[in-house]
Amino acid sequence: AQSVTQPDIHITVSEGASLELRCNYSYGATPYLFWYVQSPGQGLQLLLKYFSGDTLVQGIKGFEAEFKRSQSSFNLRKPSVHWSDAAEYFCAVGAGPGGGNKLTFGTGTQLKVEL
Amino acid sequence: SAVISQKPSRDICQRGTSLTIQCQVDSQVTMMFWYRQQPGQSLTLIATANQGSEATYESGFVIDKFPISRPNLTFSTLTVSNMSPEDSSIYLCISTGLAYNEQFFGPGTRLTVL
Repeated sequence: AQSVTQPDIHITVSEGASLELRCNYSYGATPYLFWYVQSPGQGLQLLLKYFSGDTLVQGIKGFEAEFKRSQSSFNLRKPSVHWSDAAEYFCAVGAGPGGGNKLTFGTGTQLKVEL
Repeated sequence: SAVISQKPSRDICQRGTSLTIQCQVDSQVTMMFWYRQQPGQSLTLIATANQGSEATYESGFVIDKFPISRPNLTFSTLTVSNMSPEDSSIYLCISTGLAYNEQFFGPGTRLTVL
């Protein structure tokens, strides 16, 4: 069975500082990996995804993530955080077609941005 | 890409009643899933809606409590039966496109049970 761990429940950064949100996954085959953002009272928005190829993935809003198979990680990064980035971030792993493409979500990381 | 609509968008229900949530996709998709997001929590998969057959439920979820239908490739319903306040959640329909590498999210149904 697949699983996702987001070790940090809450993170606070200053505006303009760099950001890294951690995500570790467990899956027996090549994973499909996703990062989503959810603002208060809003639905999920896809930031980026990884299926294959280049392990450094660029997403929207200046976010990027790097897939590291040896560490079973897919950490999300942003070089300079904006106050509007304050939200909850979810990492997810997909089983792919062979596994019915079910998504398993992490518990989320709440990001607070200090001005 | 596909656009998913859900009805109702929100509802407030009394304990012991049932509510049926509809999920409509504007194009053919392969998989359709129902998730629950309880207040302050992550998303948990309830079941996979299978076209023309019984849904596949995840551990901890049963058909009697969450009956699901999927009569065709673009439509599914989830019923939350005999509701209690613990069922207060956002219920989300997610589908996978024909290419499998795309996921589409419904806007969610915010359910409050009094």
